[in-house]
Amino acid sequence: DTAVSQTPKYLVTQMGNDKSIKCEQNLGHDTMYWYKQDSKKFLKIMFSYNNKELIINETVPNRFSPKSPDKAHLNLHINSLELGDSAVYFCASRLGGANTEAFFGQGTRLTVV
Amino acid sequence: GDSVTQMEGPVTLSEEAFLTINCTYTATGYPSLFWYVQYPGEGLQLLLKATKADDKGSNKGFEATYRKETTSFHLEKGSVQVSDSAVYFCALNTLGGSEKLVFGKGTKLTVNP
Repeated sequence: DTAVSQTPKYLVTQMGNDKSIKCEQNLGHDTMYWYKQDSKKFLKIMFSYNNKELIINETVPNRFSPKSPDKAHLNLHINSLELGDSAVYFCASRLGGANTEAFFGQGTRLTVV
Repeated sequence: GDSVTQMEGPVTLSEEAFLTINCTYTATGYPSLFWYVQYPGEGLQLLLKATKADDKGSNKGFEATYRKETTSFHLEKGSVQVSDSAVYFCALNTLGGSEKLVFGKGTKLTVNP
């Protein structure tokens, strides 16, 4: 069983469209994240949720809206896609606490054309 | 804010060579430190971690020691293999209410036979 699973793995779409990426974890973790990895492999946190509550929102445009229906799921919806949104988006989860590791999904490669 | 600086890549080595990837951090207090590895087309996975000063994390022949006095967590391996080719990320866990992993920019390692 995959611990953190994201769908879809690849997403190609036109500018201006709205798209969603789904993430589910079966580890029983309390905290989930979305990270964005750019073409130079730089990873930047976007959002963090703890038990369905938004904890971190790191200066992400309003076009990005996370939704956590329960603590096992954290979805990312993006409105009015722009070329600059092209990147790999990673979902991650962790149990919480400073010493715990984060488990990452396989990533969703978003290409906006 | 908290940050991680790691050596710029790419790094290219021959099989069985010695590897060092430097990592230094800036943080309030004493965060936990991590090395993550990303193989091509995959998500990140934990390679090793250290949670307090002088701790040594180790896994798969890789080692890193938490050095408080130099705020460093350098990754080393005595004899690399072709299968170690990947991107390596140093990270710290921020302390306080909004815990998150802050990553360095990643170092791409290529090992040639």
